[in-house]
Amino acid sequence: DIVMTQSPDSLAVSLGERATINCKPSQSVLYSSNNKNYLAWYQQKPGQPPKLLISWASTRQSGVPDRFSGSGSGTDFTLSINSLQAEDVAVYYCQQHFSAPPTFGQGTKLEIK
Amino acid sequence: EVQLVESGGGLVQPGGSLRLSCAASGFTFSDFWMHWVRQSPGKGLVWVSRVNGDGSSTIYADSVKGRFTISRDNAKNTLYLQMNSLRAEDTAVYFCARAYCPGGSCSSVVDFWGRGILVTVSS
Repeated sequence: DIVMTQSPDSLAVSLGERATINCKPSQSVLYSSNNKNYLAWYQQKPGQPPKLLISWASTRQSGVPDRFSGSGSGTDFTLSINSLQAEDVAVYYCQQHFSAPPTFGQGTKLEIK
Repeated sequence: EVQLVESGGGLVQPGGSLRLSCAASGFTFSDFWMHWVRQSPGKGLVWVSRVNGDGSSTIYADSVKGRFTISRDNAKNTLYLQMNSLRAEDTAVYFCARAYCPGGSCSSVVDFWGRGILVTVSS
């Protein structure tokens, strides 16, 4: 199974500042035949189910604010949240779907400083 | 509006069985793979199982293989998870989840989640 390691486990960022969350798969999730990274990012607020933010490492889902962005390739990925808002407090998860079983990172808890 | 509503959870003794159901609405159910994902209290997300659109193909996490069975009834727009030989470590909120299917090609990314149902395995 591909192990997904996120860092940090938690972080506190001031309102209006930038938050950066990293995700490292234990093997590449880049599919060479279509040059796509099989990596997604989710946001889970307390008491709610997760919400899909980004697919294919960098494609924002419809309705997701453009302050959220994903980048990276292969075994090194980043979720960035610019101009942090109070409503961004949540746990963020990365997930690979390159190979079965799909696996999630352990989560990164984002709080307001 | 897409809706996924889980039911059938509760308290069960170790070694017991439970069947979860997920009623889907707001989309053409048979066009989508469906997943079950679980989350133990205070912990992260763990994928459990997936079924394709017509129910002919299923896969499972190693931790539940041979004990859990995923199925679907497209006429009733309902997804199921039959859970047998339950263990304490199966205690979790179980989410019914719709696969992300861009251009009709489904994946193991989830684009819509139910609110989840709690399963507690304890004596």
